[in-house]
Amino acid sequence: AQTVTQSQPEMSVQEAETVTLSCTYDTSESNYYLFWYKQPPSRQMILVIRQEAYKQQNATENRFSVNFQKAAKSFSLKISDSQLGDTAMYFCAFDSNTGNQFYFGTGTSLTVIP
Amino acid sequence: DSGVTQTPKHLITATGQRVTLRCSPRSGDLSVYWYQQSLDQGLQFLIQYYNGEERAKGNILERFSAQQFPDLHSELNLSSLELGDSALYFCASSVEQSASPLHFGNGTRLTVT
Repeated sequence: AQTVTQSQPEMSVQEAETVTLSCTYDTSESNYYLFWYKQPPSRQMILVIRQEAYKQQNATENRFSVNFQKAAKSFSLKISDSQLGDTAMYFCAFDSNTGNQFYFGTGTSLTVIP
Repeated sequence: DSGVTQTPKHLITATGQRVTLRCSPRSGDLSVYWYQQSLDQGLQFLIQYYNGEERAKGNILERFSAQQFPDLHSELNLSSLELGDSALYFCASSVEQSASPLHFGNGTRLTVT
């Protein structure tokens, strides 16, 4: 079974600084998809970024980028120029491309400090 | 707006009762997922449907059941409710069975008293 591990339950960062959230996963598959979701205090789940395992280039969405290390099974999220609105719970997720369930990590609670 | 609609937004009921949560996926999405999120907890996968058929089952209690109808909307039925069933229940949809991002509804907050 696939597992997703987020080893940082809580993190904080000063406004305008950069922060990196860690995620590791375990799978025997070669083709899969990885995602980061954000859950602000409103509890809505918002897709932040997506990475296909067959792509070597790291995905980027504005201030959000990932560092995807396939051999190490690592998928970290970097948030640049942190803003107060980035305060949220961040979930890493794995999709095996076999039609089975989406696997979510336990989340990292990020607080941006003014 | 994700395009996924969940009703009701809030539900308060007593122990032992039965409730039905409803989800309408984004237009064109064939796959529907249900997740449970208890207070300060992660997302617990309950069940997935694709085009009307059950595709994957997670930690779903026997007291819970779900189905996806021909028009692709889905319902999650929770019966013999217990205090511990109080949680935020999310529905999410995607185009395919896999490899597509999940788009989440705003959730139904269930409170069992």
